[in-house]
Amino acid sequence: SQKIEQNSEALNIQEGKTATLTCNYTNYSPAYLQWYRQDPGRGPVFLLLIRENEKEKRKERLKVTFDTTLKQSLFHITASQPADSATYLCALDIESTNAGKSTFGDGTTLTVKP
Amino acid sequence: DGGITQSPKYLFRKEGQNVTLSCEQNLNHDAMYWYRQDPGQGLRLIYYSQIVNDFQKGDIAEGYSVSREKKESFPLTVTSAQKNPTAFYLCATEIGGIHSNQPQHFGDGTRLSIL
Repeated sequence: SQKIEQNSEALNIQEGKTATLTCNYTNYSPAYLQWYRQDPGRGPVFLLLIRENEKEKRKERLKVTFDTTLKQSLFHITASQPADSATYLCALDIESTNAGKSTFGDGTTLTVKP
Repeated sequence: DGGITQSPKYLFRKEGQNVTLSCEQNLNHDAMYWYRQDPGQGLRLIYYSQIVNDFQKGDIAEGYSVSREKKESFPLTVTSAQKNPTAFYLCATEIGGIHSNQPQHFGDGTRLSIL
């Protein structure tokens, strides 16, 4: 079965710096990969989706890369702000299976200190 | 998320009791999902439904049941057979089917605890 690992449970950075979160996967190559933001006590909110034939996707201060050779996605937040503090989840979707929707990682909790 | 309403926000279950969590959507999305989230962990799929009157088991369906009588509604029942029900339950929708290359939209969850 697909396994996903997100880097360290918690990441602390200073305001203004770039936060980089990692999502590594094993086994099947996903058709596409998604990143979500989750605040305490709330449901995840979709941020970005990147397909297997795309190397990079950007949205404002967010950037996602997808390296199918390394089996890794990197999620960057540039010029980070305290309001970016949240848990970020990556999710993989594999088109070759009918086992359901996305497989989610355990998340990385980002804290941006002023 | 706007358009997906989960209720109640907090729910307490007595031993041996079945409880039902509500999920209603007005997004006109075809697919609906139920996930369970335990502290510090990702989401695990319980059940999903692509169309009315059809649903499939996810990875951890034991002790749960669902129905999909209307497109807008996908209630989840946590039965007494689920021995460790304490968790955060999330309902999600998706505009297409399970492989539609579309993101999921989530409700704000129901936190279930045992009395």
